[in-house]
Amino acid sequence: GAVVSQHPSWVICKSGTSVKIECRSLDFQATTMFWYRQFPKQSLMLMATSNEGSKATYEQGVEKDKFLINHASLTLSTLTVTSAHPEDSSFYICSVGIFGTDLNQPQHFGDGTRLSIL
Amino acid sequence: GQNIDQPTEMTATEGAIVQINCTYQTSGFNGLFWYQQHAGEAPTFLSYNVLDGLEEKGRFSSFLSRSKGYSYLLLKELQMKDSASYLCAVRDWAGGGNKLTFGTGTQLKVEL
Repeated sequence: GAVVSQHPSWVICKSGTSVKIECRSLDFQATTMFWYRQFPKQSLMLMATSNEGSKATYEQGVEKDKFLINHASLTLSTLTVTSAHPEDSSFYICSVGIFGTDLNQPQHFGDGTRLSIL
Repeated sequence: GQNIDQPTEMTATEGAIVQINCTYQTSGFNGLFWYQQHAGEAPTFLSYNVLDGLEEKGRFSSFLSRSKGYSYLLLKELQMKDSASYLCAVRDWAGGGNKLTFGTGTQLKVEL
């Protein structure tokens, strides 16, 4: 069954709206979660690493004030796209990092969220 | 930083064998992974190499040469459902040892 649950799977909203995406680890506690963005016909680009109980680590060029990440528990991380604009339209995917148990498959991916800003 | 290169597109015939290459440069190599991704879906894990050599899993095999910074994914007995994007990803020791950097992906089209 699914290891990671990501919600919602599809969002369409007006420009200027803030959108929250949830990523839940279903079967285990996850101290680290990753947030990716994927534009059409491009690869996954890591946006940030979400760390439980501490601040997220953002990749170079990603605006931390625009993409707010909260990882308040060991099973939930949220990404909020604040004041979204059409250029933020993309496929956002979270993954859960597992330490110690199965490094042969280091990340389990959610099903992704398709965000469309009108 | 890391530099990961893959061909953008490949086309192959159903029933044939195809090899997708990946070259990389990284300072703290800690494993190379191959993922399959169908359009609009999340990536699906295919294989993992951390030591040199060939890893075989059914119709899929993956090879790694750390000294050359090179890997390939081999798909045998191609099926139409294998048409997808194949992503090469490198893990390094940065970010706690579990951070992946993805290549641009190779779009494979399987034809009759």
